[in-house]
Amino acid sequence: QSVLTQPPSVSGAPGQRVTISCTGSSSNIGANYDVHWYQQLPGTAPKVLIYGDNIRPSGVPDRFSGSKSGTSASLAISGLQVEDEADYYCQSYDSRLSWVFGGGTRLTVL
Amino acid sequence: QVQLQESGPGLVKPSQTLSLTCTVSGGSFSSSTYYWSWIRQPAGEGLEWIGRIYTSGSTNYNPSLKGRVTISVDRSKNQFYLRLSSVTAADTAVYYCVAMYSNTWTYFHYWGQGTLVTVSS
Repeated sequence: QSVLTQPPSVSGAPGQRVTISCTGSSSNIGANYDVHWYQQLPGTAPKVLIYGDNIRPSGVPDRFSGSKSGTSASLAISGLQVEDEADYYCQSYDSRLSWVFGGGTRLTVL
Repeated sequence: QVQLQESGPGLVKPSQTLSLTCTVSGGSFSSSTYYWSWIRQPAGEGLEWIGRIYTSGSTNYNPSLKGRVTISVDRSKNQFYLRLSSVTAADTAVYYCVAMYSNTWTYFHYWGQGTLVTVSS
């Protein structure tokens, strides 16, 4: 059971927009700790996709965006492409448990 | 660009100690903006932060690992290490060493490719 809750899977057709939620509590996201998102392509290590709630590292397409409100955060992917098919993880800091991750969401591009 | 490479035994017997080495290249090992972390991922499961070390030697560990973890550093070799004692099958996972950027934000910036450690007799 992860401290941050994500849906196990989401799907969408090429060109569509999908969102992945990340729900925490008052000891992590609700305490205004930053949320970061990672993309893990099959068989590879995770890669930072969004940091500081909504900042894209250099090289990450602007199709990816992050937001945060209250005890939740979201990752939005617009203009879905086949190469976006991957596992996505949210991550934050918890005042009781230190650095914590969501359970991950598998994105399928139909 | 920071590069990290894990090394160590791929098979450890139950109750023994898992030991891994991470070698860092790219010139950032003594940087004040990076901590050096270990993260693991059991097959088909999510990510778990294990702990981190600063080049000064100060450490932080995941409370859930209940004192079984030790992370150390050798600045002269640009390496840091993980020791996990009293392992069980539940410790079987891919272990990643990670450069943890820590300035305005703190996030896991650069990742090694990961190394699979299996706990089995």
